[in-house]
Amino acid sequence: DQQVKQNSPSLSVQEGRISILNCDYTNSMFDYFLWYKKYPAEGPTFLISISSIKDKNEDGRFTVFLNKSAKHLSLHIVPSQPGDSAVYFCAGGSQGNLIFGKGTKLSVKP
Amino acid sequence: GAVVSQHPSWVICKSGTSVKIECRSLDFQATTMFWYRQFPKQSLMLMATSNEGSKATYEQGVEKDKFLINHASLTLSTLTVTSAHPEDSSFYICSARYPLRGLRSNQPQHFGDGTRLSIL
Repeated sequence: DQQVKQNSPSLSVQEGRISILNCDYTNSMFDYFLWYKKYPAEGPTFLISISSIKDKNEDGRFTVFLNKSAKHLSLHIVPSQPGDSAVYFCAGGSQGNLIFGKGTKLSVKP
Repeated sequence: GAVVSQHPSWVICKSGTSVKIECRSLDFQATTMFWYRQFPKQSLMLMATSNEGSKATYEQGVEKDKFLINHASLTLSTLTVTSAHPEDSSFYICSARYPLRGLRSNQPQHFGDGTRLSIL
């Protein structure tokens, strides 16, 4: 049973446009959600998080939206840059433990 | 800078060899560390939770005799892949749980850079 789902394995966006990465979850016990960015052969790098009691968190070009009723969250990157090209993992967490989605590979074309 | 150091970053060895991977928290004490495995184009799969001073908790389907975990100090956990075979080839990533209170409490886990294990 996949508790965290990222249904789009890949996304291609033009530089300067908005990238929207989606994530769905089934576990209503998650206290928080995080987005990680990962390059090949490297460990994940933390991007942004959101508490389950909030519906939006913004950090520079990155904004995460949480819709608890729909059990859905999304990561918006505006404007997208070629350096943003990577695999993005969504994770749900409680008590310090994390469950990851399968990731979405973002390609930002110049 | 990096707060979790993982070594080695890449290992190539013959089938039957045992391989040890180290995970160190550099600027905080981690009572709990995690070991993940990632297959190509797959998610990070939690293998086991390593607790300082006690036995690791393994996820279902992970052989504890195959993947030995030792968490002997608050800054070091090791994963030993015993008698490795080609099917053990994968990318192994560790993370350390950050104290729930503090400036970085929004980041419950800090990840190492991973170890690529290739068994010939």
